[in-house]
Amino acid sequence: EVLLLESGGGLVQPGGSLRLSCAASGFTFSNFAMSWVRQAPGKGLEWVSTISETGGGTHYADSVKGRFTISRDNSKNTLYLEMNSLRAEDTALYYCAREFILDYWGQGTLVTVSS
Amino acid sequence: DIVMTQTPLSSPVILGQPASISCRSSQSLVHSNGNTYLSWLQQRPGQPPRLLFYKISNRFSGVPDRFSGSGAGTDFTLRISRVEAEDVGVYYCMQATSFPRTFGQGTKVEIK
Repeated sequence: EVLLLESGGGLVQPGGSLRLSCAASGFTFSNFAMSWVRQAPGKGLEWVSTISETGGGTHYADSVKGRFTISRDNSKNTLYLEMNSLRAEDTALYYCAREFILDYWGQGTLVTVSS
Repeated sequence: DIVMTQTPLSSPVILGQPASISCRSSQSLVHSNGNTYLSWLQQRPGQPPRLLFYKISNRFSGVPDRFSGSGAGTDFTLRISRVEAEDVGVYYCMQATSFPRTFGQGTKVEIK
């Protein structure tokens, strides 16, 4: 069974940092690109970032470019999202999902940016 | 960026009746490899999104056959032949033909 489990969310002040993790199991992690997608409270889905199978290729939404960094550790079957210079508008539930078709999603981890 | 536009944004439906959601992209979703990476996702209240269809009409594992996906180029449709109570939620189309990935605004399906 494919499982994705996000962690690392929490309350952070504007300008602060957080690192999210997504632990994968039930499939060969290194064979799949992975993505982060977020959902602000009561809003729709917004793609954040994607990383290739090896980690050699990354893509970012303009809204997070230069502030967020996606990475992965294939030896630990784990995806990461390093978030810096956080803003109130980054408040959202952050999901990791398996590419290419986003066929499996985690339950999400909530990030709240507030003073 | 490719803009995905869904209509309607809200769809009150009588149980057992059909429902249809349209999704239009601002440019063709046909990839250089010939595939069209248009997906449909369902998000039930309080749940993460769930994939229903990929590449327009390929039904994902476990999706009931009352759901169908169709379309080509820039115009796509999700149909539910007979709405059941468990179908309540928000439905999103999404394109994976190019970066940035983009989603439609979402269509809320509710029981009338």
